[in-house]
Amino acid sequence: GENVEQHPSTLSVQEGDSAVIKCTYSDSASNYFPWYKQELGKRPQLIIDIRSNVGEKKDQRIAVTLNKTAKHFSLHITETQPEDSAVYFCAASIGISNAGKSTFGDGTTLTVKP
Amino acid sequence: DVKVTQSSRYLVKRTGEKVFLECVQDMDHENMFWYRQDPGLGLRLIYFSYDVKMKEKGDIPEGYSVSREKKERFSLILESASTNQTSMYLCASTLTGIANEQYFGPGTRLTVT
Repeated sequence: GENVEQHPSTLSVQEGDSAVIKCTYSDSASNYFPWYKQELGKRPQLIIDIRSNVGEKKDQRIAVTLNKTAKHFSLHITETQPEDSAVYFCAASIGISNAGKSTFGDGTTLTVKP
Repeated sequence: DVKVTQSSRYLVKRTGEKVFLECVQDMDHENMFWYRQDPGLGLRLIYFSYDVKMKEKGDIPEGYSVSREKKERFSLILESASTNQTSMYLCASTLTGIANEQYFGPGTRLTVT
């Protein structure tokens, strides 16, 4: 089955700096790559996603890049703010053929210091 | 707005008890999932269901069973709770399609003593 590895497990940055979280996946059939943010005590929520026919997607301060050849994708957060502090999960999914099942990375705890 | 609710936020049970965790979604999603979340281990899939009365094992199904009698409701059952099942349990749902986000419930913190 699919295996998703996520690095680093913890990341600490100063406010205003950039943060990058990287994930690799094993199944070349995966075609959907969402990123979820989980604030302390809250449920995970989607912040950005990318499909396999796109190499990069940006939404304000966050962006995701995908390299299908190398089977890795990354989350980039620029101009970090204290409210970006959370656990971030990447995931990979084969989509319609697998009931929308996603395999998740182990998570990255991001701390943004004021 | 999609809403996924879980029957309890916190639950304390004794070893050997039968435990029911219930999840309800209100957006007519076909697919529903149960995960457990432990520090450093991410979200591990226990079971999922793609239709009423249909279920499939996830990555860690041992010690758990599920029930889906109605489309909006997906129950997780611990037949005989053990201390190693102390965890945060998250339910999620999604539409069938090429690729769709999962909508999560608020989670149930289960402690087995």
